This record gives sequence, C-alpha cells and structure tokens, in this order.
Amino acid sequence: DQQVKQNSPSLSVQEGRISILNCDYTNSMFDYFLWYKKYPAEGPTFLISISSIKDKNEDGRFTVFLNKSAKHLSLHIVPSQPGDSAVYFCACTSMNYGGSQGNLIFGKGTKLSVKP
Amino acid sequence: DAMVIQNPRYQVTQFGKPVTLSCSQTLNHNVMYWYQQKSSQAPKLLFHYYDKDFNNEADTPDNFQSRRPNTSFCFLDIRSPGLGDAAMYLCATSRGFPSTDTQYFGPGTRLTVL
Repeated sequence: DQQVKQNSPSLSVQEGRISILNCDYTNSMFDYFLWYKKYPAEGPTFLISISSIKDKNEDGRFTVFLNKSAKHLSLHIVPSQPGDSAVYFCACTSMNYGGSQGNLIFGKGTKLSVKP
Repeated sequence: DAMVIQNPRYQVTQFGKPVTLSCSQTLNHNVMYWYQQKSSQAPKLLFHYYDKDFNNEADTPDNFQSRRPNTSFCFLDIRSPGLGDAAMYLCATSRGFPSTDTQYFGPGTRLTVL
C-alpha cells in the first residue's frame, strides 16, 4: 500500500514553460516533505523541502506548494530548462516521531523531459 | 570530490551466491542508509546505522545484512540472492536522524542475479 504516490510516470514540457510535478500522500503523520532530483547514473540529490507549518517554499526557479487538507504537494519549476530533465522523487517523513516514522518514504518518481 | 562512493557500480552474481556491496563516505556523517530500488519503483529503506547502532526495517528480509566497521564504510551483504533481489542498491548518508537532515546519495550499485 503506497503511502506516497506520484501518479504521472512522465511529463514533457517545452523549454521556458512551467513544469508542475505532483505528489499525494496518505499518512497524516507526515509533516515534512522533500523533493529529490535524479540524473541517469547518479544518485538522487536533494532539491527543496517544506514543513507542514508552511504552504509554500521557494528557492530560485523551484517552488514547492503544500496542501495539507488535500494531502497533496507539488513542485513548480519556472522557467523550465533542458538541464532540468531528470527523474523527480517526492519524499515524506515525520519530524516528531521516533523509529521508522522518521524514515523517508519515497514516491516512484516522475521523469521530466524539457524540450528545447 | 565524490562524497558517497559505491563499489562496484554493477554487480552480477549467481542465484544463491553471497554478494557484498560497498559504500564509503567522505562527509563524516553519523547516519548511513541502504535503500533497494526495483525497476520503476520507489527507493525502499532496508536499514540504517546511526553511528554503530543498527536499525533494521521490519519488512527487510533476513537475507539482507549490514556491517559498519567504521564511520566511513558500510557494507550490504546478501547471503543468498534470489532473482527477486535484482535491483539498484542505493547508499545514503546524513548528519543526523530523523530524515529532515538532508540525505546524500551515492550513484548506486545495480545488482543482477543470474
């Protein structure tokens, strides 16, 4: 039973346009959310995060939005660049619980292709 | 300036033949993790070490073991690999736990079981 779902396996966007990647979660204990980016033949690298006390966090071209009531977060990339082409993983965790609740739970990833 | 190094990058083993995957880090982080990622699936945590403290996930098969002889190195031992163990194995590190501390991943070892 997937606790973190990324329902779009792939997304294709034109250079300069907005990319929107979506993620849904089911566990109401999750209160910290991250996006990781993965290029081929490399490990995932941390991109941006947000805690449940916020609904938006921005870092340059990357913005993460959190809708707690809908248990939904999204990553916006504006403007999209060809170098953004990668697999994006959503990950969720709990800050305030011990044991396995502190683990990162990943989604399956969305492959973004940005066309020149 | 590689920070999390995994060797080998590709490993082929035979059904039932023990195999060891290696991970080293130059970050001096306290926590080291092993994830399994099967094709088109999410990375799944197998276990992690906080210093010398081993933390096994409840659903990690007994076939998977780990060793951390020092801060820099961590090994994943698969005692009797089955065909279902073919996957990418990712090592990661973080300064602390829980996972709000950024995790730094290695490039992974792709395991093939014949």
